[in-house]
This record gives sequence, structure tokens and C-alpha cells, in this order.
Amino acid sequence: DGGITQSPKYLFRKEGQNVTLSCEQNLNHDAMYWYRQDPGQGLRLIYYSQIVNDFQKGDIAEGYSVSREKKESFPLTVTSAQKNPTAFYLCASSIPPGLNEKLFFGSGTQLSVL
Amino acid sequence: DQQVKQNSPSLSVQEGRISILNCDYTNSMFDYFLWYKKYPAEGPTFLISISSIKDKNEDGRFTVFLNKSAKHLSLHIVPSQPGDSAVYFCAASQSGGSNYKLTFGKGTLLTVNP
Repeated sequence: DGGITQSPKYLFRKEGQNVTLSCEQNLNHDAMYWYRQDPGQGLRLIYYSQIVNDFQKGDIAEGYSVSREKKESFPLTVTSAQKNPTAFYLCASSIPPGLNEKLFFGSGTQLSVL
Repeated sequence: DQQVKQNSPSLSVQEGRISILNCDYTNSMFDYFLWYKKYPAEGPTFLISISSIKDKNEDGRFTVFLNKSAKHLSLHIVPSQPGDSAVYFCAASQSGGSNYKLTFGKGTLLTVNP
């Protein structure tokens, strides 16, 4: 079955630690996205990538980093510079952007600070 | 500056009745709108969309209405079922842009009571 796989489902971060959230898709989609959801808030865009080896900052990129070395993979690193990392993180993908196609989402990673 | 607003955090309806979820937007450049449904600890799933060239789109029990002059759209669910209980996100995008991304509202929690 085609889809988007996020791992792990739950992740805990210690103070000063960087953690990496995995996102893999086998939908052959060009574009991939990372969103953050906080309680009572909408989904806010962290980073997105329209093509391999290229990515753009979203609305709340500070304290995060990404890479897009392969079409299938778009890992997100939450660095120690992100002072409020506790949130539900969602990865998504779509076919070439700008064509008004819907996003397909993974099942999310809940990140908490110890 | 919230460009997509869902002013009702929650809505409760009886099974079999109509559910109406509302969404307002401020960016007149938005021309494509989507509704997503989200269960707890899962990723959102696409429900229905509408282009600005239309004022109505219907898919089974779900209908989306768009009023461009009022910058308002609504999602109607008829008849409502307990399985419809979820958070519903309204999202908007601007086609033709070089950097495609969706802007989401904060969501409305729908509870359908048996």
C-alpha cells in the first residue's frame, strides 16, 4: 500500500538534545512538508520541499532543520534551539505543487520534552 | 495574522441532523479550499475541496459552499453520524504561486451524539 510513514510514534527529548523525526513516502510525490500542531491550534508549516535537494522555510522554521537527499525521505531535526518543541508533528506529501492537489499526511509523531 | 479562521472551536449535533462547519478567510488571493478531517493522534485525511470558480461541491453526505464576496465557506454534513466526530480543518491555497503551501485554520471539534 502506498502511503507516508512517520517514525517514531512517540519521542522524548532531553534538554539540549537534537532529535530527528523520520518521514518516508512511497507515493512518488515530488513535494513534502512538515507541519506542527499544538493543542487548540491549526497546522503550522515548518519546512517544505518541492524537489530533491531543495527546501524552503515555512512559517515557523526557527529551531528546526531538514534535508531532502532522496525523493522518498524528508527527515526533520528538532534542534536544541527550539525552546518549545512539545507538539504533534505531521509530515505530508503531494504531487507537483501548484496544481491544487491535496496533501497526504502521515500518522504523526508526538514529541515531548523530559 | 490568521488568514484562515474557524471561529467555532467546537460543535455538537444529534445523529441524523445536519452539521454545519464554518470558515472565513482574509486573503483574497486564495482560490482553492479544502476540508480535512482529523482523529486524535492521527494525521488529517482529505475530505472535500472547492475551487473559487465554483460555489458548491458535493460528495455524498458532504457539501462545501463557497461565498467569495463574503470570503466564507462552509461544510455541510447530512445526515451526521457518530463516526463523523472529529476535528475538521479548513485550508486554503493560492494557485499558480511558485511556492505552494496550504494555510490551515485552527479546526472545529465536531461531536455527533447518538
